[in-house]
Amino acid sequence: AQSVAQPEDQVNVAEGNPLTVKCTYSVSGNPYLFWYVQYPNRGLQFLLKYITGDNLVKGSYGFEAEFNKSQTSFHLKKPSALVSDSALYFCAVVDSNYQLIWGAGTKLIIKP
Amino acid sequence: DSGVTQTPKHLITATGQRVTLRCSPRSGDLSVYWYQQSLDQGLQFLIQYYNGEERAKGNILERFSAQQFPDLHSELNLSSLELGDSALYFCASSLQGYGANVLTFGAGSRLTVL
Repeated sequence: AQSVAQPEDQVNVAEGNPLTVKCTYSVSGNPYLFWYVQYPNRGLQFLLKYITGDNLVKGSYGFEAEFNKSQTSFHLKKPSALVSDSALYFCAVVDSNYQLIWGAGTKLIIKP
Repeated sequence: DSGVTQTPKHLITATGQRVTLRCSPRSGDLSVYWYQQSLDQGLQFLIQYYNGEERAKGNILERFSAQQFPDLHSELNLSSLELGDSALYFCASSLQGYGANVLTFGAGSRLTVL
């Protein structure tokens, strides 16, 4: 079955430290992968996507994600976390019907 | 402002009632998606329209229906409301109707059923 998993419900990071939010996927064929962020009381916002090409994708607000085909992962990263990065992060993958499958979301908490 | 407009922002109603949520997509976008977000079930895809036609259907209850009008705005109708329908309802839009497109989300409509 096609799916996407975000294994951590919550990730806690100290401000200034690097952060990683994990995502793994299972789809047939080449994956189209996305990260979206939801700040409190707001709608989701697009961060970045991988369609093809360089395995390291750069996105908004200093975030980047690394596509790893052998590990079927697309982890979101940032070298130095800010308190303002605290939000809910969603990973998504396009399935064989060209529809998005969403992860359950990971709550990222950055502590000052 | 994302360019996707949802009304109303907040809605409180009683069980058994019917409500309509409205969405205006970002200018130029042809596809509209509806999502339900509740505390314990994450983001659930309900339905998608593309240029007035239903494109895909997700976990949408029979009590719920939607349509996209010729001016591309969309409405989500929720009837015979139950307590469990309390949630945030998001509309998103994209230029085309395929999942590889970037979605632009509205701020959501928060429905509370008492």
